[in-house]
Amino acid sequence: DAGVTQSPTHLIKTRGQQVTLRCSPKSGHDTVSWYQQALGQGPQFIFQYYEEEERQRGNFPDRFSGHQFPNYSSELNVNALLLGDSALYLCASSFDRGEGYTFGSGTRLTVV
Amino acid sequence: RKEVEQDPGPFNVPEGATVAFNCTYSNSASQSFFWYRQDCRKEPKLLMSVYSSGNEDGRFTAQLNRASQYISLLIRDSKLSDSATYLCVVIDSWGKLQFGAGTQVVVTP
Repeated sequence: DAGVTQSPTHLIKTRGQQVTLRCSPKSGHDTVSWYQQALGQGPQFIFQYYEEEERQRGNFPDRFSGHQFPNYSSELNVNALLLGDSALYLCASSFDRGEGYTFGSGTRLTVV
Repeated sequence: RKEVEQDPGPFNVPEGATVAFNCTYSNSASQSFFWYRQDCRKEPKLLMSVYSSGNEDGRFTAQLNRASQYISLLIRDSKLSDSATYLCVVIDSWGKLQFGAGTQVVVTP
């Protein structure tokens, strides 16, 4: 039974570019949440998707957008990358609002 | 004010000693509470849930004080492998995880 799968594992982008990160949730999970973790900080909530809709959003600009597909997988898109977007991006899946969150190993994004 | 606050540490602990640290949260409507462990450059992993009655899992004891809005974690008989960052997590009524910045624990021989 695969856990949460994120791709790619590492990514280097240039300031101003756009990036798409992908997440496949754990089998049986239908809710996907995205987090940004800067070095030395705790993960910060970006948004949560359920039934292909954004259910909640954290304090992130509109440059951050997402999508959830019918198979519950999800994408995180970031436009007009800034140096400050460099971070570990974590995806966590759960069943609806259940407490059994499982994290993927993350995508480490470096913006140069 | 941050929704979840933790002492960043580091807490330097001799092997075999006991270490304890707290986390405070600001939203009194918070529903559930957890401690996660995060190793360097890895994803967070659930350590234990925190219940009002307090709960223990081996060498780890977690407590919740709703009146004062804090959560604690105590580690007994520290092992070198306990060296990590411990993240306090609070879940709101929408199922959103709110993380603290983490408390770093370094267990030394």
